[in-house]
Amino acid sequence: QVQLVESGGGVVQPGGSLRLSCVASGFTFSYYGLHWVRQAPGEGLEWVAVISSAGSDKFYAASVKGRFTISRDNSKNTLYLQMNSLRVDDTATYYCVKGDTLWWTFDYWGQGALVTVSS
Amino acid sequence: QAGLTQPPFASGSPGQSVTISCTGTSSDIGGYNYVSWYQQHPGKAPKLMIFEVTKRPSGVPDRFSGSKSGNTASLTVSGLQAEDEADYYCSSFAGNNNLVFGGGTKVTVL
Repeated sequence: QVQLVESGGGVVQPGGSLRLSCVASGFTFSYYGLHWVRQAPGEGLEWVAVISSAGSDKFYAASVKGRFTISRDNSKNTLYLQMNSLRVDDTATYYCVKGDTLWWTFDYWGQGALVTVSS
Repeated sequence: QAGLTQPPFASGSPGQSVTISCTGTSSDIGGYNYVSWYQQHPGKAPKLMIFEVTKRPSGVPDRFSGSKSGNTASLTVSGLQAEDEADYYCSSFAGNNNLVFGGGTKVTVL
């Protein structure tokens, strides 16, 4: 079965950096686009970024563009999110999400990694 | 890009139906048939319930159905059961490689 397991969450000071990882299994990793979606405590969902199957195309939400970088290593079945210049309002649970063949349906979600930005 | 608009709360008795609306614009819901609905129980990850407006993934009960008219999409849960009590989020492709979510609707089974 499909599994997505995030790691790398934690507490970081404003202005700091953090890298999230997501190890995938149960499907042909290199065939699918992958996303990061976040959820602030007690709030709704916010799409963050997407990367194409080969990693050549990357797109970001306006709120993170220029600060976050999505990447993948298809040899390791791993998705990454490098987060720089973190702000208090980046505090959220970050979900690794598999897109379907047309990218924009999120058919499998990881359990999430909590990132807390606080001084 | 503004988010989609959902009512914050909805409720129904067991066995009844509840319908949740999701209103956007011609740049998102009205422009594409890439509307999805996700169910989220407390402390859990979201789960895909409806995709491409009306399609149900394997394993999702046929009590869940989706539709769209103009700039508004809807999710209907028929024959409400206790386990349907959860938060529900709509999403839509919004062009320019961007996606928007609704603010979420908390469904209570009375």
